Amino acid sequence: GENVEQHPSTLSVQEGDSAVIKCTYSDSASNYFPWYKQELGKRPQLIIDIRSNVGEKKDQRIAVTLNKTAKHFSLHITETQPEDSAVYFCAAIGGNKLTFGGGTRVLVKP
Amino acid sequence: DVKVTQSSRYLVKRTGEKVFLECVQDMDHENMFWYRQDPGLGLRLIYFSYDVKMKEKGDIPEGYSVSREKKERFSLILESASTNQTSMYLCASSPPGPENSPLHFGNGTRLTVT
Repeated sequence: GENVEQHPSTLSVQEGDSAVIKCTYSDSASNYFPWYKQELGKRPQLIIDIRSNVGEKKDQRIAVTLNKTAKHFSLHITETQPEDSAVYFCAAIGGNKLTFGGGTRVLVKP
Repeated sequence: DVKVTQSSRYLVKRTGEKVFLECVQDMDHENMFWYRQDPGLGLRLIYFSYDVKMKEKGDIPEGYSVSREKKERFSLILESASTNQTSMYLCASSPPGPENSPLHFGNGTRLTVT
């Protein structure tokens, strides 16, 4: 089955700086890669996704990149703000199951 | 707005008890899922269902079973609760399609087994 590894497990950044979270996957047939954000005490919510036919996707301050050859994808958050503090999960669809990475706790320091 | 409702926010059970976790969604979604969330391990899929009376094992089905008698309801059953099943349990639903996306999660049930 699919295996997704996510790094780092924790990330502390100064407000206004950028944050980057990286994930690798094992199944070369995986073709859909969503990112979920979970604020403290709340449910995870989809924030952005990318499909294997594109290399990059942006939505305001967040962007995702995908390198199919190397089997890794990344989440980039620019100009971080306090409300970006949360746990972020990457995921990959392998077969008919969505497999999540272990999560990255992001702390934005004012 | 999709609503996924889990019956309990916190639950404390004793070892060996049979435990039922209930989940109801109101958007007529075909797909429903049960995940457990543990620090550092992310969200791990226990069971999922693409239709009424249908179920498939996820990555960690041991010690669990599920029931989907109605489209809107998906129940997770711990046949004989053990301390290693202490965790946060998240139910989710999604529209049909191979991407299982987007997943709409419930608020979670924090289960403690003593």
